[in-house]
Amino acid sequence: QKEVEQDPGPLSVPEGAIVSLNCTYSNSAFQYFMWYRQYSRKGPELLMYTYSSGNKEDGRFTAQVDKSSKYISLFIRDSQPSDSATYLCAMSATGGTSYGKLTFGQGTILTVHP
Amino acid sequence: DAMVIQNPRYQVTQFGKPVTLSCSQTLNHNVMYWYQQKSSQAPKLLFHYYDKDFNNEADTPDNFQSRRPNTSFCFLDIRSPGLGDAAMYLCATSRDRVTGEQYFGPGTRLTVT
Repeated sequence: QKEVEQDPGPLSVPEGAIVSLNCTYSNSAFQYFMWYRQYSRKGPELLMYTYSSGNKEDGRFTAQVDKSSKYISLFIRDSQPSDSATYLCAMSATGGTSYGKLTFGQGTILTVHP
Repeated sequence: DAMVIQNPRYQVTQFGKPVTLSCSQTLNHNVMYWYQQKSSQAPKLLFHYYDKDFNNEADTPDNFQSRRPNTSFCFLDIRSPGLGDAAMYLCATSRDRVTGEQYFGPGTRLTVT
């Protein structure tokens, strides 16, 4: 079983839809949670960063972390064609073998149709 | 703007011919990482530098080496590229190792002929 599981999709939605992206994880030592957006043939771009449990909102994006369920989500409101990309969840721990390293999900490919 | 820069963006090399990829950063971050990313896969960590301290991943082939001559620059050397080394190579930086907040460069796409 992978430490981080992410549905690879692909996910196709119409413009304006609310998108929900999710990851589950098994390592209870993970404390920092990130979402990266990666356009085709580009490097990943840090989109959202959250410490421990809770919600964080930035414009159309909301990140949620539920440590009790080992579950994180990214919501995109009013989705736009420019949101079409691969979304990677990533997490890190403050100690152990994962210290200072990111453990990635396998990425979800999102397409937003005009 | 503070950023992570990778050169070249595209590199073509021949099978077995050594190649060097470079990364520079203006963020003044202590940690620099090298990742390999193949199509439709998540980035795979090869190694990282915490300041001058080199940390290799256990499954990184000996064919891959790295140098960090100063805070701003880091190099990835592939001594004898094989066809299986064709991939996107990503450099990332982080202020420290505690938070895991990493910033990626645009990547270098390596083709091996």
